[in-house]
Amino acid sequence: NAGVTQTPKFRVLKTGQSMTLLCAQDMNHEYMYWYRQDPGMGLRLIHYSVGEGTTAKGEVPDGYNVSRLKKQNFLLGLESAAPSQTSVYFCASGEAHYEQYFGPGTRLTVT
Amino acid sequence: SQQGEEDPQALSIQEGENATMNCSYKTSINNLQWYRQNSGRGLVHLILIRSNEREKHSGRLRVTLDTSKKSSSLLITASRAADTASYFCATAPLTSGTYKYIFGTGTRLKVLA
Repeated sequence: NAGVTQTPKFRVLKTGQSMTLLCAQDMNHEYMYWYRQDPGMGLRLIHYSVGEGTTAKGEVPDGYNVSRLKKQNFLLGLESAAPSQTSVYFCASGEAHYEQYFGPGTRLTVT
Repeated sequence: SQQGEEDPQALSIQEGENATMNCSYKTSINNLQWYRQNSGRGLVHLILIRSNEREKHSGRLRVTLDTSKKSSSLLITASRAADTASYFCATAPLTSGTYKYIFGTGTRLKVLA
């Protein structure tokens, strides 16, 4: 039982490049989330999904896209990376009314 | 703007002392959760308290919720060096459904051995 896993763990991108972050969970959770964490800002919700095939915008969705083609996977895409997207990205999964389980994070630097 | 705001932003105590941190929020909620984050790691869930509950215990943790004041507190008793971490509250505003959580900015706790 791996819980929530994220790949990659670290990545450096140049401005304008694209990439996809993968989140996988093995707990059969319906809900999955992508957050970003910046120093002194806490976690901010980027996008979330309430089930396979569904996605919705969170607090800071601009510059990101997501897909949930399979229940266990939630992908976060950056189409054209910008330095403002330098951050630590966390994926989480859970069920309504209950706690979220977090992955270990992806540290992204955009130069 | 942040739904949840923790207070204090940073706290330093001696091992064995109690640590109290507070969370204030702005809108009516379904539940409030507390998470711990060790440096560079993902968040770990500590405790969930629902809007119809006033107090909850889990081991050395005690959480209170005052919905009239829109605030919660987390008490860690008999602290240990291993409790050194950042602590976040997360709220699920009723208007956003019960699955969209908003996190505060956190309290950084340092427990000195």
